[in-house]
Amino acid sequence: AQKITQTQPGMFVQEKEAVTLDCTYDTSDQSYGLFWYKQPSSGEMIFLIYQGSYDEQNATEGRYSLNFQKARKSANLVISASQLGDSAMYFCAMREGNFQKLVFGTGTRLLVSP
Amino acid sequence: DAGVTQSPTHLIKTRGQQVTLRCSPISGHKSVSWYQQVLGQGPQFIFQYYEKEERGRGNFPDRFSARQFPNYSSELNVNALLLGDSALYLCASSRRQGRNQPQHFGDGTRLSIL
Repeated sequence: AQKITQTQPGMFVQEKEAVTLDCTYDTSDQSYGLFWYKQPSSGEMIFLIYQGSYDEQNATEGRYSLNFQKARKSANLVISASQLGDSAMYFCAMREGNFQKLVFGTGTRLLVSP
Repeated sequence: DAGVTQSPTHLIKTRGQQVTLRCSPISGHKSVSWYQQVLGQGPQFIFQYYEKEERGRGNFPDRFSARQFPNYSSELNVNALLLGDSALYLCASSRRQGRNQPQHFGDGTRLSIL
């Protein structure tokens, strides 16, 4: 069963606007972590933000925030004030328990236009 | 501090050959994980090592093996290469075990099988 679902293959946004990238997950564990990574065309995976299953507040890191809705099993990434350099693939990933294995979604390609 | 470094950056091999990929984690990081990313997909977990012991293995054939050295660097070996092994191989490190430990990725090794 697919554990991470990203339903948006591609998203377009204009510079300085906000954009939301969707992610839903499936797990029977009570303890898990959710991550977002950015992958530019160069290939490196850049860690953006983390949300723990027991965290009561939504995570924020600069222009990135995570809209965590536990009952819906969703962990959407919100990028505020988009910049041209935000154009990249974005992956949602989950880790269950204390294992280091990350399970990734299929990604969303974000294009930011001037 | 230097990030995760991987070598080589690109590699071309033919079917049936063997390949060794190398990874140096961020200084102070004791956990190293390997992922395979086929074009157009999210990364797939191959192995995780922590304190020189294998702590996790993904659904990959025995042709794939890895090890971690006393200085926490790691090697991934793939024998009897197949065309389907063509992919970006990513190494990630984290300071320790734990679901809230973000994994930091290297730039990857792009392996092409002819």
